[in-house]
Amino acid sequence: GAVVSQHPSRVICKSGTSVKIECRSLDFQATTMFWYRQFPKQSLMLMATSNEGSKATYEQGVEKDKFLINHASLTLSTLTVTSAHPEDSSFYICSARPEQPYEQYFGPGTRLTVT
Amino acid sequence: KNEVEQSPQNLTAQEGEFITINCSYSVGISALHWLQQHPGGGIVSLFMLSSGKKKHGRLIATINIQEKHSSLHITASHPRDSAVYICAVLLTSSARQLTFGSGTQLTVLP
Repeated sequence: GAVVSQHPSRVICKSGTSVKIECRSLDFQATTMFWYRQFPKQSLMLMATSNEGSKATYEQGVEKDKFLINHASLTLSTLTVTSAHPEDSSFYICSARPEQPYEQYFGPGTRLTVT
Repeated sequence: KNEVEQSPQNLTAQEGEFITINCSYSVGISALHWLQQHPGGGIVSLFMLSSGKKKHGRLIATINIQEKHSSLHITASHPRDSAVYICAVLLTSSARQLTFGSGTQLTVLP
């Protein structure tokens, strides 16, 4: 099956710094990538949808200036958490979709801890 | 009321038991996914269904479009099946975004 990778798998950073998380589709072209956030024992919460070459669409309540998303190619999307705060500590998961079919392929996730 | 409801929320079974997890939804959908999330966090897509039934190894997924209901069955369950199982639907009103159920925590005891 199709593979989506995320890097890094874990990151610890200090308050006020920025962290970049990469999401790559390894064996298919992803016209759309999704970024999710998951708190312990809760379901995934969609943060934003990104289409290659265009601006990301953010969900209500997600600060676009804080969570910068770039989908520069059909195989790579990045999420940058700017001016990180301890409350940004969470598990971030990306998923990627080819143009067809409706399948979505998930990355392994990135655990961010802000100290 | 959530658009996607899963039951049960928690399920404990003995190794070898037949397991059923249910998912009901209240809106029109294009497709339904069953996902598995292990304690490490990574999510694996088990099935994508738009009608009928699919089988992969010990896993079987069914969907009844008229009744807006899907089930995930695990035969001959094993402790390595312990995970959170999540039902997610692709709404016909949303071209690409998934709507997730709250998940079912399955624990299979040896």
